[in-house]
Amino acid sequence: AQSVTQPDIHITVSEGASLELRCNYSYGATPYLFWYVQSPGQGLQLLLKYFSGDTLVQGIKGFEAEFKRSQSSFNLRKPSVHWSDAAEYFCAVGPRINDYKLSFGAGTTVTVRA
Amino acid sequence: SQTIHQWPATLVQPVGSPLSLECTVEGTSNPNLYWYRQAAGRGLQLLFYSVGIGQISSEVPQNLSASRPQDRQFILSSKKLLLSDSGFYLCAWSSPRERGPGNTIYFGEGSWLTVV
Repeated sequence: AQSVTQPDIHITVSEGASLELRCNYSYGATPYLFWYVQSPGQGLQLLLKYFSGDTLVQGIKGFEAEFKRSQSSFNLRKPSVHWSDAAEYFCAVGPRINDYKLSFGAGTTVTVRA
Repeated sequence: SQTIHQWPATLVQPVGSPLSLECTVEGTSNPNLYWYRQAAGRGLQLLFYSVGIGQISSEVPQNLSASRPQDRQFILSSKKLLLSDSGFYLCAWSSPRERGPGNTIYFGEGSWLTVV
């Protein structure tokens, strides 16, 4: 069974600074990988996803993520954070066979200070 | 375009009372449907998923049940709520597998349930 770990529970970053959120997965083969963002009291919105091909994936809101097979990681990055990026971020992995059964990490809460 | 609606948005229920959360998807047919729960400070836990009418798979043993009476309708129920059922419940959908692998899951706005 697949699993995903987000090592950082909470990250505080200054507005305009760069942001990197870590995600490590455990799976016997290359899974599908996703990053979602959740604003307080809201549902989840897809930021980006990796299925195959280029390991650097561009998403919405200026986010990107890089799949590194050797490290079983799919870290999310943004060069310059805006106050509106304060939210909770979830990494998710799904196997390629039963691809509807995603497993989510526990989430990383991002606080942006002025 | 596809949309997903989930209601009620907020619910406060006494222990032992029944529960019914409803979710409908528009703009697609034969979607995969899901119920997730998000407890405070924790990640998302898949509760149920359905690949077709009347086809429900349960991921965890619990006090809840799910039903899919129509193609695009997914209902989460309980006969008697427990305090531990409190949380944020999210309905979600994805395209059927036959339309391509690695289908993205799209979420509704969620329902806050507080059991008192």
